[in-house]
Amino acid sequence: DGGITQSPKYLFRKEGQNVTLSCEQNLNHDAMYWYRQDPGQGLRLIYYSQIVNDFQKGDIAEGYSVSREKKESFPLTVTSAQKNPTAFYLCASSTDRASQPQHFGDGTRLSIL
Amino acid sequence: DAKTTQPPSMDCAEGRAANLPCNHSTISGNEYVYWYRQIHSQGPQYIIHGLKNNETNEMASLIITEDRKSSTLILPHATLRDTAVYYCIVRVAPGSARQLTFGSGTQLTVLP
Repeated sequence: DGGITQSPKYLFRKEGQNVTLSCEQNLNHDAMYWYRQDPGQGLRLIYYSQIVNDFQKGDIAEGYSVSREKKESFPLTVTSAQKNPTAFYLCASSTDRASQPQHFGDGTRLSIL
Repeated sequence: DAKTTQPPSMDCAEGRAANLPCNHSTISGNEYVYWYRQIHSQGPQYIIHGLKNNETNEMASLIITEDRKSSTLILPHATLRDTAVYYCIVRVAPGSARQLTFGSGTQLTVLP
């Protein structure tokens, strides 16, 4: 079945450590997105990519980095510069048209040890 | 993108229709209305979207007022599994791969 796969489902980070969250899609979508969700809050955009080898910062990009080397993959690295990384991270993908919906993965929950 | 306003919470009896309202009074002519829902600890699930006309799919119906300043999502026969936070979002027209702006949404609780 086509869809978006995020891994791992749960992730723990030690102080000063970088961690990478995986997002893979087989929907042949050009655009991919990373959102962060804090308890009781809506989603906030971290980074998005409209095509391979190109990406733009969202509203809260500080302390995060991404790459888009393949159309299917858009990994997110949470760096040690992100001082409050505990959150629920969601990856999404879509065509490049607003007339088509974004589809979401099941998320990765990141916690600090 | 236009801002949306939704009630923070609603209850609905199981088997009855759930009608979730959304105000988007500043919507532009080229902005689509999208509805998503999120069950606790899962990713948002796309429900339905529309531009001007009312829309219906296997999950729900979307009623958009003629002036497009508000819309209503209708779940015709709510079940306990429909308990979730429902988000109404407006998004710009084709040609833009911009983000979805999620507000606080409406917590729908379906009661047995």
